[in-house]
Amino acid sequence: DAKTTQPPSMDCAEGRAANLPCNHSTISGNEYVYWYRQIHSQGPQYIIHGLKNNETNEMASLIITEDRKSSTLILPHATLRDTAVYYCIVRPSRSSYKLIFGSGTRLLVRP
Amino acid sequence: SQTIHQWPATLVQPVGSPLSLECTVEGTSNPNLYWYRQAAGRGLQLLFYSVGIGQISSEVPQNLSASRPQDRQFILSSKKLLLSDSGFYLCAWSVNLQGSGNTIYFGEGSWLTVV
Repeated sequence: DAKTTQPPSMDCAEGRAANLPCNHSTISGNEYVYWYRQIHSQGPQYIIHGLKNNETNEMASLIITEDRKSSTLILPHATLRDTAVYYCIVRPSRSSYKLIFGSGTRLLVRP
Repeated sequence: SQTIHQWPATLVQPVGSPLSLECTVEGTSNPNLYWYRQAAGRGLQLLFYSVGIGQISSEVPQNLSASRPQDRQFILSSKKLLLSDSGFYLCAWSVNLQGSGNTIYFGEGSWLTVV
């Protein structure tokens, strides 16, 4: 079973920031938070991951709370192409071969 | 840069027919390789993973098998397809760091419909 809880759907206006929350209250100290997204009929696309510190790359920012029980994925300037299902995944350890996908958040970016 | 390709992209097969999906990775050596399946309206399920040539681990008992004949080639097969084998099949890879996993990257996927 997935160890994360995400809202089933969200929407935001094009050009605005999209903030996608994720709860992972039972996360362990050596578990990473990974984010992927899946556009319809395509393979999941890796976005970002983190352990304790906030992370940023060319796609998004990941904000992890100090107690690590929740995180937020931020798409700073959402475009229509960001419409997808976003999955927050707690990975048992970086040596785990298994990614357990939950149901994710369906993000709709409105024109 | 690394790339992953799998084919065919779509496949319609009759019940009882064989299956072969192929996946190759370029730009890296000795990767971990994976086969996932996504049934309609459901999450991704890990089917097989491999840490090296000829080394296959199965996550769930099923009608499918996997093989890794070359370092960067991963094949998903079935001798006789069932209706329940329909789904979206995804090949994936990650860097193999002394047997440890790393970020997993997915291919484009193959849609299989068994009729």
